Amino acid sequence: NFMLTQPHSVSESPGKTVTISCTRSSGIIASNYVQWYQQRPGSAPTTVIFEDNQRPSGVPDRFSGSIDSSSNSASLTISGLKTEDEADYYCHSYDYNDQGVFGGGTKLTVL
Amino acid sequence: EMLLLESGGGPAQPGGSLRLSCAASGFTFSSEAMTWVRQAPGKGLQWVSSISGSGYSTFYADSVKGRFTISRDNSKNTLYLQMNSLRADDTAIYYCAKRIVIDHWGQGALVTVSS
Repeated sequence: NFMLTQPHSVSESPGKTVTISCTRSSGIIASNYVQWYQQRPGSAPTTVIFEDNQRPSGVPDRFSGSIDSSSNSASLTISGLKTEDEADYYCHSYDYNDQGVFGGGTKLTVL
Repeated sequence: EMLLLESGGGPAQPGGSLRLSCAASGFTFSSEAMTWVRQAPGKGLQWVSSISGSGYSTFYADSVKGRFTISRDNSKNTLYLQMNSLRADDTAIYYCAKRIVIDHWGQGALVTVSS
């Protein structure tokens, strides 16, 4: 099976743009959809991006997802950062057997 | 409104059993694959198991294979996770989630395995 590697933490100021990466260790990143989940402290996760770049209803368009085949990675970009965006973010994909794989999570600090 | 409501969590002894349920509403349950994800205290998310909409196909993480069984009752719009031979490292919040490419989550049920 493959692994998804994320930075442990990132920080940025309100109003700025931040990008969180998620690198697949083996296999092709584009071969299976990538999702991104937000988890605020003490709360259940919520989906901010599914199927690489789709936003669920209610998620603002400040959140966007992309795939980069050259680096075999996915990225979550949050623009116009707000303090409410401070949370843990997890990337997720699955293999040919539909076995799920999560990244280790990235703590986003907005300061 | 789409809702996923887990129940059945609680304390259990090592070697014991628990069954989690997830009541779904707000979408056509039988048309969607479903997934269980867990999170140990202070740790990240871990995929546990998924099941196809019909229930015919099931998938498990190696850490729970042979001990946990995922199932569903489409007539009751309910997903289950039967957990046997529980171990201390199964202690976690268990989340029910819609689809394999998860687009909606439940609030979670806490399972604590301790003697």
